[in-house]
Amino acid sequence: QKEVEQNSGPLSVPEGAIASLNCTYSDRGSQSFFWYRQYSGKSPELIMSIYSNGDKEDGRFTAQLNKASQYVSLLIRDSQPSDSATYLCAVTGTGGFKTIFGAGTRLFVKA
Amino acid sequence: GAVVSQHPSRVICKSGTSVKIECRSLDFQATTMFWYRQFPKKSLMLMATSNEGSKATYEQGVEKDKFLINHASLTLSTLTVTSAHPEDSSFYICSALPTGGPIYEQYFGPGTRLTVT
Repeated sequence: QKEVEQNSGPLSVPEGAIASLNCTYSDRGSQSFFWYRQYSGKSPELIMSIYSNGDKEDGRFTAQLNKASQYVSLLIRDSQPSDSATYLCAVTGTGGFKTIFGAGTRLFVKA
Repeated sequence: GAVVSQHPSRVICKSGTSVKIECRSLDFQATTMFWYRQFPKKSLMLMATSNEGSKATYEQGVEKDKFLINHASLTLSTLTVTSAHPEDSSFYICSALPTGGPIYEQYFGPGTRLTVT
């Protein structure tokens, strides 16, 4: 069973702090990794994509990938109340376009 | 860029009727589109992969005769829920994969909330 696992949370951090979201995946052949943000009642919005080991930074967001450990994370610096949402980790395996989503981690940023 | 629309955004229908949901890529062409279903506080579950000009590929457990998918052009895919039942009530979300764009980066529509009474 190919799975993507996330801690459901909620993860609560104070405004201005760093929020750290984690994800593990079971398919060792996975090639593409994504973080989506989903507000309640809305569809997911792509935040970050990462394809190779290491860190990728985009503004306040940093995605980290470790294929050997089958682990991907998202760091949000200077967290804002508007960052409060559910963050979905998604993984696409080899051989096709099918993307498997984790159940999501709920993040609350307290003002 | 990369805007995907869905219509309708909300629909309420009676049990036994059929409902059609449209998914359009507004500023790009999409050979491949995906249809997902999301129940409250659950993650997205892929229902089917829609390819322009060919039959859709359905995930295990998804009835192809109940969820009819048509991808007649590079910018439009439709999902028809036939003989809807209350258990079909859910949030249906489509996504589109830009043709020739960054591989695997799909863009989501705003979703359609279906309520079957």
